[in-house]
Amino acid sequence: AQSVTQLGSHVSVSEGALVLLRCNYSSSVPPYLFWYVQYPNQGLQLLLKYTSAATLVKGINGFEAEFKKSETSFHLTKPSAHMSDAAEYFCAVRDSNTGKLIFGQGTTLQVKP
Amino acid sequence: NAGVMQNPRHLVRRRGQEARLRCSPMKGHSHVYWYRQLPEEGLKFMVYLQKENIIDESGMPKERFSAEFPKEGPSILRIQQVVRGDSAAYFCASSPGGGGHSYEQYFGPGTRLTVT
Repeated sequence: AQSVTQLGSHVSVSEGALVLLRCNYSSSVPPYLFWYVQYPNQGLQLLLKYTSAATLVKGINGFEAEFKKSETSFHLTKPSAHMSDAAEYFCAVRDSNTGKLIFGQGTTLQVKP
Repeated sequence: NAGVMQNPRHLVRRRGQEARLRCSPMKGHSHVYWYRQLPEEGLKFMVYLQKENIIDESGMPKERFSAEFPKEGPSILRIQQVVRGDSAAYFCASSPGGGGHSYEQYFGPGTRLTVT
């Protein structure tokens, strides 16, 4: 079975600081991995996805993630946090049979001025 | 191209009533997934449908919950005899394909169900 674990349910950074949100996956087949962002009372917006084309994936809003097979990780980073980045972030792996998304528990990012 | 549409955005039901949640996928998408987000919990898969077919309902509670995606019209998630524990945000996502492909899923804004 495939699964995703997000380390840290809450992360707090200062504006302008590096953002690092951790995600580890478990999969017996090459995974398709996704990062989504959810702003309060809204749906999920795709930040980026890994589909085996390149290990470093660039997404929207300055975010990127690196797929590391040896570490089974897909951590999300952004060099400089902005106040508007405050939201909840979800890492997900796509089920290889049905395509359903299996989500991590989510990480709430707080950005302090 | 309009995104995924869900209605109503907010729904209040008394215990024992029925709740009907609607989802219109993006144009050209024939694959619909429903997820539930309970308070203090992450997003959990409920059901995956294609037009007129339920492909995977492994995440659906065994009783009171049903889903359909007719040939014409939106996908419907139906909850009969709602209980307070059904209070949650329900999200629909659509995709141009399913299975073991890399297709991304596009999410609607969700329906927030409150059971009083």
